[in-house]
Formats: sequence, C-alpha cells, structure tokens
Amino acid sequence: QKEVEQNSGPLSVPEGAIASLNCTYSDRVSQSFFWYRQYSGKSPELIMSIYSNGDKEDGRFTAQLNKASQYVSLLIRDSQPSDSATYLCALSQPDKLIFGTGTRLQVFP
Amino acid sequence: GAGVSQSPSNKVTEKGKDVELRCDPISGHTALYWYRQSLGQGLEFLIYFQGNSAPDKSGLPSDRFSAERTGGSVSTLTIQRTQQEDSAVYLCASSFDRERAFFGPGTRLTVL
Repeated sequence: QKEVEQNSGPLSVPEGAIASLNCTYSDRVSQSFFWYRQYSGKSPELIMSIYSNGDKEDGRFTAQLNKASQYVSLLIRDSQPSDSATYLCALSQPDKLIFGTGTRLQVFP
Repeated sequence: GAGVSQSPSNKVTEKGKDVELRCDPISGHTALYWYRQSLGQGLEFLIYFQGNSAPDKSGLPSDRFSAERTGGSVSTLTIQRTQQEDSAVYLCASSFDRERAFFGPGTRLTVL
C-alpha cells in the first residue's frame, strides 16, 4: 500500500463548477497535510496546508481533513481553466515529505 | 525575495559520466529536500537535510547517488556512472519549518 494515494484522473469539470480532489493516507502518525499544484512543465507550489480535523478555507480553495478516516480532500469552487493542473497531496513525516502521484484536473470552458 | 535556485537547468550527459546538480535554498531555510520526478510520474523522495545533516538517506536509489550540504546552505546531488534510467527532473525544495516546502525550478537530466 502506498503511503499517499490519489486517483490519477483526469478529473474534468466545466468552468464555474466545484472540483473535488481526494487523497487517502496510511500513516496514522502524520499530523500535517498539504496540497500542492503543479502546472505542466513547472515545479510544485504549495497552495494549502491543514493540521486539524475539519475544513480550512482560503479563497476559492477548501481543504478538508478527517484523521479517523485517513483522508484529505481539496475543493476548488468556481473552477477556472487556469486551475487546470496536477494537484499533489503530501504529508509530513519526521525526516521527509511524502507526496502522492497527483490528480490531473482539467477545467473546460 | 529570492526563491530556491537550481543549476544547471538542463544537463545532457553520456552514460557512465558523473554529474553534479546544485541547489541554493531560500536564505534561512534549514530544511532541504531532493526529489526526482520522471516523466508523468509523482515525486520520488531522495534525501532530506536538516542543517548539514541527512538523517534519512534511504531514498537514494543506489550507491551511485550521494548528496551533501555545506554551511547549512548550498546542497549538491552527485550521480556517478550515470545510467539512462537516471534521466528525470531533479527537484530541490527548502523549508523553514520542515513542512511547508518551496521548490526550485528543477534540473532536467538526460542520459544518452
């Protein structure tokens, strides 16, 4: 079992819709979780971090964490074509940051 | 301010040659990570430095790979006797809190 699992996609949503990206993890000890966005040919950039159960909102982005069920999700409201990218889920361990393989999101006009 | 920089941006080498990849982290960031990303794949963890120390080297793919960090700043990833399967983008990231990482632009390595 991979430590961080994501559906590779692509997830296709129309412009203006809500995109929902999901991630499950196996390490019950991890306390810190992150979402990174990676445009094609570019490096990952951090867009959200979440540390406690519940929701965390930042603009059009909402991260959700459920430690009991070991999943993290990212909601993107009012999706725009510029949101089209690969979204990487990550968790922190004592000596490393572990990334999932990412979900490719396509937002079509 | 200045972000993470990596050099060279592109490196083409012949199989069997040694290569050195350099990473300049954001000033003051004590944590530094190296990852490898093959085409269309996720991020493969290679090594983590806290200051100049690397507590976990288990991610290095083979003994041909080594890394060092000096002065708590610049890091070098060295690959000896390169193989075609080493071809990938090598990404460096730094962090001030060991968790929120800021990535450099990467070095694209092609082994012919």
